[in-house]
Amino acid sequence: EVQLVESGGGLIQPGGSLRLSCAASGFTVSTTHMSWVRQAPGKGLEGVSIINGGGDTYYADSVKGRFTISRDNSKNTLFLQMNSLRVEDTAVYYCARDLRGSDFWGQGTLVTVSS
Amino acid sequence: EVVLTQSPATLSLSPGERATLSCRASQSVYSYLAWYQQKPGQAPRLLIYDASNRATGIPARFSGSGSGTDFSLTISSLEPEDFAVYYCQRRDNWPWTFGQGTTVEIK
Repeated sequence: EVQLVESGGGLIQPGGSLRLSCAASGFTVSTTHMSWVRQAPGKGLEGVSIINGGGDTYYADSVKGRFTISRDNSKNTLFLQMNSLRVEDTAVYYCARDLRGSDFWGQGTLVTVSS
Repeated sequence: EVVLTQSPATLSLSPGERATLSCRASQSVYSYLAWYQQKPGQAPRLLIYDASNRATGIPARFSGSGSGTDFSLTISSLEPEDFAVYYCQRRDNWPWTFGQGTTVEIK
């Protein structure tokens, strides 16, 4: 059974850093595309970053230079390192497997950036 | 950047009625468009990929059509569990932008 479990969210001050984790089971993260999508409170969905099977990475302009997506194949886990956090980064962050569409999603982890 | 515009913003219908949701892209996304359903407090759920292919486990009452810049999602007969927010997503190229969503509410 495919499962994705995010962790690492919380309350952080502007300018701070957080690392989100997404533990996968039922498939191998290194062989497929994986993405992070966020949703600000009461708002729509925004694609944040993606890593493909070959390890190529892409970022939304809003996070480029501040966020880094990576994976640990030995732990079958996806990460999102978030630096220089801003108030506007406040959102629920979801990880997703991207096979044909984003076909499996985690439950989301809330990141709140506030002083 | 490709902008996806969904219409209407809100659709008020009764169970058993047909729902037709629209998604228009500012430039061609070929057939690389997906549809998702999201209920309050839940992650999005993939319904349709590549414009017209139902994802695994999705009931046949959901169907997608279109290509290029104009797409639609049709729910042939609304069930109580179908009242939710629906998003389209371009997948032809990064960034994978989403439409702003259509809320299907009970009339």
